[in-house]
Amino acid sequence: DGGITQSPKYLFRKEGQNVTLSCEQNLNHDAMYWYRQDPGQGLRLIYYSQIVNDFQKGDIAEGYSVSREKKESFPLTVTSAQKNPTAFYLCASRGEDMNTEAFFGQGTRLTVV
Amino acid sequence: QKEVEQDPGPLSVPEGAIVSLNCTYSNSAFQYFMWYRQYSRKGPELLMYTYSSGNKEDGRFTAQVDKSSKYISLFIRDSQPSDSATYLCAMSAGVIQGAQKLVFGQGTRLTINP
Repeated sequence: DGGITQSPKYLFRKEGQNVTLSCEQNLNHDAMYWYRQDPGQGLRLIYYSQIVNDFQKGDIAEGYSVSREKKESFPLTVTSAQKNPTAFYLCASRGEDMNTEAFFGQGTRLTVV
Repeated sequence: QKEVEQDPGPLSVPEGAIVSLNCTYSNSAFQYFMWYRQYSRKGPELLMYTYSSGNKEDGRFTAQVDKSSKYISLFIRDSQPSDSATYLCAMSAGVIQGAQKLVFGQGTRLTINP
């Protein structure tokens, strides 16, 4: 079945460490997105990519980095520069047609210990 | 002021009640309006999608968009315990500079009590 897969489901990070969250899709979608979800704040856009080898900063990109070397993959690195990284991270993808929905992965819950 | 405002709740209603969820927005360029349902510790899933103003009905769910008031609503009829979830509104102005971005509300946490 087509879909979008995030891994791991739960991730623990020590202070000062970088961690990378995986996002893979087999929907043949060009556009991929990373969101952060905190209680009471909804989803906030971190980075997005419309095509391979191109990506743009979203509203809260500081302390994060991404790459888009393959159409199927859009990993997110949470760097030590991100001061408050504990959150639920969601990856999404979307086709070109404006009438297509954004499909979300099941999320990664990152906790700093 | 946030571009999209949504009452975070929580909202608790008895089974069978009609539920009304709402969002207001400030960006008049928004043309595409969506409602997502998110169960605890899961990713959001699309519930309703509306372009421009008007109503759209799908089973027990009705989405309304009033662009003149910058106000959208989701109605749930004959609510069921399985409808208990967080409901997120989302909006888009379409493709701008080659990119399409969704702006989300804060989400409303809904509980339907048996």
